Amino acid sequence: GQQVMQIPQYQHVQEGEDFTTYCNSSTTLSNIQWYKQRPGGHPVFLIQLVKSGEVKKQKRLTFQFGEAKKNSSLHITATQTTDVGTYFCETNAGGTSYGKLTFGQGTILTVHP
Amino acid sequence: DTGVSQNPRHKITKRGQNVTFRCDPISEHNRLYWYRQTLGQGPEFLTYFQNEAQLEKSRLLSDRFSAERPKGSFSTLEIQRTEQGDSAMYLCASSLVGQGRYNEQFFGPGTRLTVL
Repeated sequence: GQQVMQIPQYQHVQEGEDFTTYCNSSTTLSNIQWYKQRPGGHPVFLIQLVKSGEVKKQKRLTFQFGEAKKNSSLHITATQTTDVGTYFCETNAGGTSYGKLTFGQGTILTVHP
Repeated sequence: DTGVSQNPRHKITKRGQNVTFRCDPISEHNRLYWYRQTLGQGPEFLTYFQNEAQLEKSRLLSDRFSAERPKGSFSTLEIQRTEQGDSAMYLCASSLVGQGRYNEQFFGPGTRLTVL
């Protein structure tokens, strides 16, 4: 099935610094989704990327899908304490397992005020 | 509150006992997923339903696990003869797919299972 590797596993930043997490696959992805999970909470959908080279922005968050559709990134500009949480990428297994969804291991972001 | 509810929120059981969890998805959603999540890991796919049909089940899911969605609305996940390794957060998510809609999942708060 589809596997996605997410790096880094942890990221500690000072408030105001930027943050980036990467999601990589050895095979071409049809789409990729990003979720955020606050400590003690459940995953919350952020964005979907479908097109090669796609870039989407949500305020301080910028999402990119690689040209080869094998990698994706989430970048946060000028982090705030409210950005704390775990960020997951997610994709589907593809082929006959289109409905089976696979999450990356997640990047835990902590922000020091 | 996403509109997806799960009950119970916490379950403590002894090894060998059976447990059942319930998920009530957003009413118009046709797809329902079950995941298991342990500390420091991403949600691990268990199974999913399209309406009442169970379309895929993870190979990691042993025969002790069974899920149903009898009328295409709520779903139950049963674990028989629980083991300590079953201790985890069990998450349910629902989505509306088809007609060009993307599979944006709405997660419930989860049921935390502790097996003693």
